[in-house]
Amino acid sequence: DQQVKQNSPSLSVQEGRISILNCDYTNSMFDYFLWYKKYPAEGPTFLISISSIKDKNEDGRFTVFLNKSAKHLSLHIVPSQPGDSAVYFCAASAQKAGNNRKLIWGLGTSLAVNP
Amino acid sequence: KAGVTQTPRYLIKTRGQQVTLSCSPISGHRSVSWYQQTPGQGLQFLFEYFSETQRNKGNFPGRFSGRQFSNSRSEMNVSTLELGDSALYLCASSRQPQGGGYTFGSGTRLTVV
Repeated sequence: DQQVKQNSPSLSVQEGRISILNCDYTNSMFDYFLWYKKYPAEGPTFLISISSIKDKNEDGRFTVFLNKSAKHLSLHIVPSQPGDSAVYFCAASAQKAGNNRKLIWGLGTSLAVNP
Repeated sequence: KAGVTQTPRYLIKTRGQQVTLSCSPISGHRSVSWYQQTPGQGLQFLFEYFSETQRNKGNFPGRFSGRQFSNSRSEMNVSTLELGDSALYLCASSRQPQGGGYTFGSGTRLTVV
């Protein structure tokens, strides 16, 4: 059972336009969310995160929005650039006993930004 | 500073064999996590080590095991390999086992034939 779902396996946008990547989760205990970007033959790299006490976090061209009531978060990239073409993973975690956390990952969305 | 180093980058093994993968974390990072990535299953958490102790474990059979050494380097072992074990195995390190902000290595591509 996928607790973190990225329902769009792929997305294609034009350079300069906005890219919106979506992520839904089912576990209401998740309180920390992250986005990672992965290029082929490389490991994922951390992009941006958001805590459940916020509904928005911005870092340059990247903004993550969190809607707790809908259990939904989205990553906005504005403006999109060809170098943004990669697979984007959404991940979530919840505080567990003993201060442990475990990241639960979505399956990823492959973004293609066309020049 | 040097990133997370995984060796080897590529590996081909036959069914029934065993394999050991190595991960050297970023200097100063004491937490090391291992993930299996396959096209249909995305990133699946295997286990996390911190200060030589396993802190978290995913839902993988006992054929998958790991350990961490005093210098924070970690190894992952898979015994009695199956075709379905073919995947990209990723290692990630962080200063603390916080469940986020990890730095990943480039992975080891394991092919079981």
